[in-house]
Amino acid sequence: GAGVSQSPSNKVTEKGKDVELRCDPISGHTALYWYRQRLGQGLEFLIYFQGNSAPDKSGLPSDRFSAERTGESVSTLTIQRTQQEDSAVYLCASSLVSSTGELFFGEGSRLTVL
Amino acid sequence: TQLLEQSPQFLSIQEGENLTVYCNSSSVFSSLQWYRQEPGEGPVLLVTVVTGGEVKKLKRLTFQFGDARKDSSLHITAAQPGDTGLYLCAGAGPSNTGKLIFGQGTTLQVKP
Repeated sequence: GAGVSQSPSNKVTEKGKDVELRCDPISGHTALYWYRQRLGQGLEFLIYFQGNSAPDKSGLPSDRFSAERTGESVSTLTIQRTQQEDSAVYLCASSLVSSTGELFFGEGSRLTVL
Repeated sequence: TQLLEQSPQFLSIQEGENLTVYCNSSSVFSSLQWYRQEPGEGPVLLVTVVTGGEVKKLKRLTFQFGDARKDSSLHITAAQPGDTGLYLCAGAGPSNTGKLIFGQGTTLQVKP
């Protein structure tokens, strides 16, 4: 596709359920990021994949959060045993490898935990 | 831990006014980016600054990177309602890993 694609765009779930969010980056982009954004706030770094290097997981808030990426393609962010404080928009971004590279963002997955 | 502090967090002004948004840190960044985000969308890059003291202009927007590469500012001249949105600064650490850390954002509302 032309841009970063995320699914689902909206997800409502019950507390305690597991959810899986998907990100399809721009073809050829080796770097992929997941961020969390609470209403009206900035972006909280979660995890960063760069090529075949070990991912930087330093932003994952708890062991309920995990993410995988297959090569340089699709990534999934999994949240186990969801809590109400997990409610947020989860944004995925990709970029060409570079410390000054532009991040291209998807429109996000809005997660609501009841 | 690298942190970026943005100020002010909220700004509501009249069309035609000027404003400045600040992005500060105690850490040195190899580069710094500014993004603008509209409701329901992902952030979109406005500019990247990489050299200490660098100034870049984008129409009515002027971006400056501090000499020590620890801070940056965004100045908007004669703000328009179309400038309304969330402005985010993002810094890349000196180790050049590519990991970007974002500030908490400045919500700008420009009233006609």
